[in-house]
Amino acid sequence: DIQMTQSPSSLSASVGDRVTITCRASQAISSYLAWYQQKPGKVPKLLIYAASTLQSGVPSRFSGSGSGTDFTLTISSLQPEDVATYYCHKYNSAPRTFGGGTKVEIK
Amino acid sequence: QVQLQESGPGLVKPSGTLSLTCAVSGDSISSSNWWSWVRQPPGKGLEWIGEIYHTGYTNYNPSLRSRVTISVDKSKNQFSLNLSSVTAADTAVYYCARDYGRGINWGQGTLVTVSS
Repeated sequence: DIQMTQSPSSLSASVGDRVTITCRASQAISSYLAWYQQKPGKVPKLLIYAASTLQSGVPSRFSGSGSGTDFTLTISSLQPEDVATYYCHKYNSAPRTFGGGTKVEIK
Repeated sequence: QVQLQESGPGLVKPSGTLSLTCAVSGDSISSSNWWSWVRQPPGKGLEWIGEIYHTGYTNYNPSLRSRVTISVDKSKNQFSLNLSSVTAADTAVYYCARDYGRGINWGQGTLVTVSS
């Protein structure tokens, strides 16, 4: 089964900073990769699908890239409302594994 | 707009069976989607449990396969999760979800605690 490894597990950055989160698949998954944002006590929210397609309504400061085994979620200018945990998710086939999560905080 | 609502006991005894149902509205359980269960232990990450198609075809997380059963009831437009031989490690918020291929629609989640 394909494992999804996210890094870092947590980060602290200043408002306005560029933030990058990586997700690595143990085998190639083409572009079948989504990113979710989860705020405390809330349901996960879809940000990006197909590795780089922005979900409708998501701010343009969020972007995704990559294909095959290596993927990146970038927040171009971190805002206070971006404090959350971010998860990657492979959806090409079962088991549809999530990454371990990256907790983003404001410095 | 699809809505999913989990229901079931919030407390299960160790070695017992956790049983949850997800009522679906705004979409037919017979549509071309996978109907899934995901869980999240307190303070931890998301874990995909498994999924079912309306034909009854299922896929499960290998780490849980021996204890999990997911079923569908087309007449009630709902699907269910059974997890047997539970321990404290199965304490989590359980989400039911519609996987539409490029994304997931989530239920609100229900906390299930395993304790005597």
